[in-house]
Amino acid sequence: QKEVEQNSGPLSVPEGAIASLNCTYSDRGSQSFFWYRQYSGKSPELIMSIYSNGDKEDGRFTAQLNKASQYVSLLIRDSQPSDSATYLCAVKKDDYKLSFGAGTTVTVRA
Amino acid sequence: SAVISQKPSRDICQRGTSLTIQCQVDSQVTMMFWYRQQPGQSLTLIATANQGSEATYESGFVIDKFPISRPNLTFSTLTVSNMSPEDSSIYLCSVDPGHGVEQYFGPGTRLTVT
Repeated sequence: QKEVEQNSGPLSVPEGAIASLNCTYSDRGSQSFFWYRQYSGKSPELIMSIYSNGDKEDGRFTAQLNKASQYVSLLIRDSQPSDSATYLCAVKKDDYKLSFGAGTTVTVRA
Repeated sequence: SAVISQKPSRDICQRGTSLTIQCQVDSQVTMMFWYRQQPGQSLTLIATANQGSEATYESGFVIDKFPISRPNLTFSTLTVSNMSPEDSSIYLCSVDPGHGVEQYFGPGTRLTVT
């Protein structure tokens, strides 16, 4: 079982729609959860971090965490063509190491 | 977040040679990390660069192949030694600015080995 699994892509959504990205993790001791956005040919950019159960909103992005279900998600509202990228879920346990999922590629159709 | 730069941004190298990648941060940071991203893949941690001590390597990565230096709190190098085409990847450094939680990535070095 992989440490971090993301829903397989690619995900194609029309402009203005909601893109929903899912991530599950295997280690119940995981403490911190992150979403990175990576444009083609660029390095990952941290867009959301979440540490406690519930929702965290930042602009058009909402991260949701459910530790009991070992599940974290990212919603992108009012999707724009500029949101087209690969989104990486990353999980940190009680040390400093990040484990990354394989990524989900999102394409927003104009 | 910190401003991170890497040199070179890309390089094409011949099999059997070595390349040293530099990572510079605009502020002192406790923790620096080196990752590899192979084509079409996600990120894999190579090692943690510790200031004043040897790097801590992840399973599957060894010091002879990926020697790392960390002479101070703003700089680190990763050397890819005796390269083969399988080493063709993007190499990324990342830093934890000191809160022990979030990590930020440099722009990466795209390495092609022929």
